[in-house]
Amino acid sequence: DAEITQSPRHKITETGRQVTLACHQTWNHNNMFWYRQDLGHGLRLIHYSYGVQDTNKGEVSDGYSVSRSNTEDLPLTLESAASSQTSVYFCASSPVEYGETQYFGPGTRLLVL
Amino acid sequence: KQEVTQIPAALSVPEGENLVLNCSFTDSAIYNLQWFRQDPGKGLTSLLLIQSSQREQTSGRLNASLDKSSGRSTLYIAASQPGDSATYLCAVTADRGSTLGRLYFGRGTQLTVWP
Repeated sequence: DAEITQSPRHKITETGRQVTLACHQTWNHNNMFWYRQDLGHGLRLIHYSYGVQDTNKGEVSDGYSVSRSNTEDLPLTLESAASSQTSVYFCASSPVEYGETQYFGPGTRLLVL
Repeated sequence: KQEVTQIPAALSVPEGENLVLNCSFTDSAIYNLQWFRQDPGKGLTSLLLIQSSQREQTSGRLNASLDKSSGRSTLYIAASQPGDSATYLCAVTADRGSTLGRLYFGRGTQLTVWP
């Protein structure tokens, strides 16, 4: 069955380290998204991509970067982790056709000490 | 900027009750509206998707309505069960310009159904 996976599921890191969160989907969806979820803020969009070599900033993109070298993967990199980036991170994908739902991964819990 | 609000933030009801969750949004220029369910420690699962031209969608004991002009949606859960306990999130899809296809989420309603 097609699916979307995230790794690692849990991560503890130190302030200033570079961290990369992986997202892999097997639906061959063109659209992929990264969100963070925090108490009091709900889900907020970090970066998104509408296809290979396409990346766009969301509403909370500072300190994060993404690259899209193939259809299946959209890794999220924290260039220099900060305590404010402690959060739960969700990856999602959707087909190119609008009007379709987004399919979410299980999430990665990141703690920055 | 699109703002999505959900009321109430939390709801606790006995099993068997019918209940209504509310969602409002500030910009009526939406492509569709979705209701998601999130269980603790898990990702989001889509429950219902209503296109902007539709008024409602039904799936089993769930019924979602959409009044696009007034910027409101409701999720009706009939005969609630303990297994319905979860956080319910409302999200709208932008339908214009550079934000086309992006989702804007509310903060959710945390539902507890006790036996």
